[in-house]
Amino acid sequence: AQSVTQLGSHVSVSEGALVLLRCNYSSSVPPYLFWYVQYPNQGLQLLLKYTTGATLVKGINGFEAEFKKSETSFHLTKPSAHMSDAAEYFCAVSTTSGTYKYIFGTGTRLKVLA
Amino acid sequence: ETGVTQSPTHLIKTRGQQVTLRCSSQSGHNTVSWYQQALGQGPQFIFQYYREEENGRGNFPPRFSGLQFPNYSSELNVNALELDDSALYLCASSTGQGTDTQYFGPGTRLTVL
Repeated sequence: AQSVTQLGSHVSVSEGALVLLRCNYSSSVPPYLFWYVQYPNQGLQLLLKYTTGATLVKGINGFEAEFKKSETSFHLTKPSAHMSDAAEYFCAVSTTSGTYKYIFGTGTRLKVLA
Repeated sequence: ETGVTQSPTHLIKTRGQQVTLRCSSQSGHNTVSWYQQALGQGPQFIFQYYREEENGRGNFPPRFSGLQFPNYSSELNVNALELDDSALYLCASSTGQGTDTQYFGPGTRLTVL
């Protein structure tokens, strides 16, 4: 069975500092991996995804993530945090056959300090 | 291009009642997935509809049921509401392919009193 673990339910960074949100997955087959962002009282917006190919994936708003098979990780980074990045971030793994459902982590709430 | 829309935005029900939530999928998408997001949790997969047929179900009881219509819009029905059903219900549309992105609607906030 597939699963996702997000380390750190809350992360605080200063404006302009590096953002690092951690995601580890468990999957018996090559996974499809996603990062979504959720602003208060809103749905989920895709930041980036990895399916196949290049392991460093660039997304919107300056975010990127690197798929590391040996570490079963897909950490999300951004070189310089902006106040508008404050939100909840979810990592998800998609099943790769049958029903293409997402399995989400429990989320990381990012706080950006002025 | 119209995105995924959901109605209503908010809903308050009492225990034991029934509720219907609605979702309009994005143009060109034939698959709708429903997720339940309890407060402080990640979304949990309820079920998926592909071309009007249920195509997979998560660990939810039968009182959670759904429909998909010929225009690929969808309904989620919950009978005999329980307090624990209070959550944000999200629908997502896609083309049904594994590598495809699921596009989420804004959600319906259901409160059960």
